[in-house]
Amino acid sequence: LAKTTQPISMDSYEGQEVNITCSHNNIATNDYITWYQQFPSQGPRFIIQGYKTKVTNEVASLFIPADRKSSTLSLPRVSLSDTAVYYCLVGDGGATNKLIFGTGTLLAVQP
Amino acid sequence: SAVISQKPSRDICQRGTSLTIQCQVDSQVTMMFWYRQQPGQSLTLIATANQGSEATYESGFVIDKFPISRPNLTFSTLTVSNMSPEDSSIYLCSVEKGAGSNTEAFFGQGTRLTVV
Repeated sequence: LAKTTQPISMDSYEGQEVNITCSHNNIATNDYITWYQQFPSQGPRFIIQGYKTKVTNEVASLFIPADRKSSTLSLPRVSLSDTAVYYCLVGDGGATNKLIFGTGTLLAVQP
Repeated sequence: SAVISQKPSRDICQRGTSLTIQCQVDSQVTMMFWYRQQPGQSLTLIATANQGSEATYESGFVIDKFPISRPNLTFSTLTVSNMSPEDSSIYLCSVEKGAGSNTEAFFGQGTRLTVV
């Protein structure tokens, strides 16, 4: 399973766009990239998943360059409620897939 | 999607005792996963539980300390045995739905365990 590396923490202000980058140099051909969000005292929650190029949903965008060795989670116009830990994971979603969490990025949004 | 219920949500236990955590899913799943999250840390996978077979444990975790049951496709238990203060953590149950590009993991709210 590919290891991921993220910044430990980031600070932002309400209304700003936040980009969190994750490195996964050893990503395998069959691996997908998935981001999860975790609030205090809750389990992680799925945000977005992609394989290459760009994926967008109602809460975020995911940018993946051609070499797939990194990915960037983009949160548009963050609010205080977006303060959480964001985890980047890679895996192939196969029958024996298990999620291995890295350190995650603590995003602190200030007023 | 999947809705996961964990019991208890929190407990304070005496060292040397054991606690069994229950995880109930609202749909049938092949695999259930148990994680530990120590204060301020990321999630660490303890084991993978399949119905009808022994759980598969990750490095650093053993069955004698964390026995797991998986009696059917919607339920699992994790027991933390002979507890010490170092076992104080949040324990989370997880399942996955879908496959390949549509795989999504769902987590319970966690069980916050404090060992005194």
